[in-house]
This record gives sequence, C-alpha cells and structure tokens, in this order.
Amino acid sequence: DAKTTQPNSMESNEEEPVHLPCNHSTISGTDYIHWYRQLPSQGPEYVIHGLTSNVNNRMASLAIAEDRKSSTLILHRATLRDAAVYYCILRDGPGVYGGATNKLIFGTGTLLAVQP
Amino acid sequence: DGGITQSPKYLFRKEGQNVTLSCEQNLNHDAMYWYRQDPGQGLRLIYYSQIVNDFQKGDIAEGYSVSREKKESFPLTVTSAQKNPTAFYLCASSMRDAAGYTFGSGTRLTVV
Repeated sequence: DAKTTQPNSMESNEEEPVHLPCNHSTISGTDYIHWYRQLPSQGPEYVIHGLTSNVNNRMASLAIAEDRKSSTLILHRATLRDAAVYYCILRDGPGVYGGATNKLIFGTGTLLAVQP
Repeated sequence: DGGITQSPKYLFRKEGQNVTLSCEQNLNHDAMYWYRQDPGQGLRLIYYSQIVNDFQKGDIAEGYSVSREKKESFPLTVTSAQKNPTAFYLCASSMRDAAGYTFGSGTRLTVV
C-alpha cells in the first residue's frame, strides 16, 4: 500500500490561509489523493479528493504536484472550527474484483491548531 | 436524511464476553468498512465488504468477525479472542468506485 507522510502538527491564526502538506512519493498512477479531517471523539469527515488536477470545493482546495509525489490541502480562511486532525490518504490499488478495493489506509495525520 | 448510524455510542463489557457493534447505512452504498482507533493514533482497518455476502480482512482482523447479509448492515463482533478490545470503533461506507467515504459517529467500547 502506498504511504503518505505528513507533519505531526501545525499552527495557524484565525482567518489566515493554511497550507497542509503531504508527501506520497510511492503513489501509483491510479491512486486518488483523499483528505479527511477528524474532530475529537467523532468520525472522520470527507474534505476533498483528486487524481491529477487541482480541485476546489466549498471546504478547501487541493493542489497536486505535477509529478503527483506531493499535495497540499489549502484552507483559505481558517476558523476555530477547522481545528482538527487532517489525514492525507491514498486510495488502495487493484483488488479482488479487478478494480480498486477502495480501502482507506490512514496514517497519523496532522493536528491543526487554530489560534484566535 | 441519508447517513450511517452506529450504535450504541458507548458500550461496556466484561472481559471474555463477545460483543456486537451495529452499523447501518441508508445511502445505498455498496462498500462498508470497520476501523479501530486507539488514543492518539490513526485509524486501522479491521474488515471491509464491497458487496453483500462477501468481506475481506483488513490489517488487524484477528479477534473480530463480521457479516454482510444485507446491503444496509455490516455488524462487527468483537470476540473474546481480541487481546485488547478497548478502543473507538468507526464504521464507514462508500460506493465501490466513488471518492467520498461517509463515516459514522463511532462506538467507544470499554472492556473491564
């Protein structure tokens, strides 16, 4: 399974942009890059995903390097509610049915602290 | 509203007893997953199922069992063979080829 590497923790100030990095040097051509976040004692929440092109949605933007070996999750204006653990995950490769198994293999993520 | 429901939220059991955690989804998702999370750690995959009546072991399946008799349901049994069952258990679902995964709110199991 391809692995990701993230910083253990980051800090940001409220209403400033946050760039959360992720390295995935062993990514395969069919791996999608997923981001989830988790608040304490809650289940993870889907944030965004992408394959090759940069992606935007109402929560965040995902910038993917041209060689796909790294990516960055961008929160445009951090709020106190964005304080969470952010996971960068690669979808698993081919599985039993000849396609992706869709397994999510989690790392330890980045703990984002947002200061008022 | 569609979603994924885990019950109960908190569960206490005596050592040596089997216990079953419930996971139900009404999202019409094909695939369902069980993860375990220990304090300060990431999630680890226990079992997953891509289709009814079929499931595969994840990274830490020992001491656990599952069934997938209905598309909507994927119960997890924590057996007495699981050496350290106290943990936060999370269920998730997705379409087999879709991007977003929906997670439940979790069941915190404490074995005393």
